[in-house]
Amino acid sequence: RKEVEQDPGPFNVPEGATVAFNCTYSNSASQSFFWYRQDCRKEPKLLMSVYSSGNEDGRFTAQLNRASQYISLLIRDSKLSDSATYLCAVNSVAGNMLTFGGGTRLMVKP
Amino acid sequence: DADVTQTPRNRITKTGKRIMLECSQTKGHDRMYWYRQDPGLGLRLIYYSFDVKDINKGEISDGYSVSRQAQAKFSLSLESAIPNQTALYFCATSDPKTSGFGTQYFGPGTRLTVL
Repeated sequence: RKEVEQDPGPFNVPEGATVAFNCTYSNSASQSFFWYRQDCRKEPKLLMSVYSSGNEDGRFTAQLNRASQYISLLIRDSKLSDSATYLCAVNSVAGNMLTFGGGTRLMVKP
Repeated sequence: DADVTQTPRNRITKTGKRIMLECSQTKGHDRMYWYRQDPGLGLRLIYYSFDVKDINKGEISDGYSVSRQAQAKFSLSLESAIPNQTALYFCATSDPKTSGFGTQYFGPGTRLTVL
């Protein structure tokens, strides 16, 4: 089993829709969780951290479910500009680095 | 100017050639990383360095070597390139003290094709 797994998608949604992706992790001792956004052929950029209590930033909400070992990203009122690949990242077993999932591709259509 | 730069941006080479990818940063971060990205596999860590005298293997270091010439420079070498090293390579930096543990700043990437 991979350490961090994501549904690769693509998720095709119309503008204005709400969409959610999950990311599962295998190491129950993982402490830190993050969502990165990567536009086509560009570098990943940190979107938001995922706190135990959840984290909201505008239209984006990230949540952690420790019992089931997954994190989620919810995007409300999708915009065309949200089209990208969303990578989750978890601190590695060694604790000093991040392990990334394979990414979930989102395509928002007019 | 970009804080993390990579050269070259694109490279096509032949099997068996030695290739060096270079990364420079002006962020003043101690920690630097090299990743490769293949479709559907996300970012996989090749090597990382937490300061000039520190070099560590990542998940997929076989076939690669690195050099940390200075705080600002971290180079990745493929001693004898092979076709399955065709990928998009990213350099990244971080400084947990100033921007938190999970914030890594990536360069624009180098697209390497090995024929």
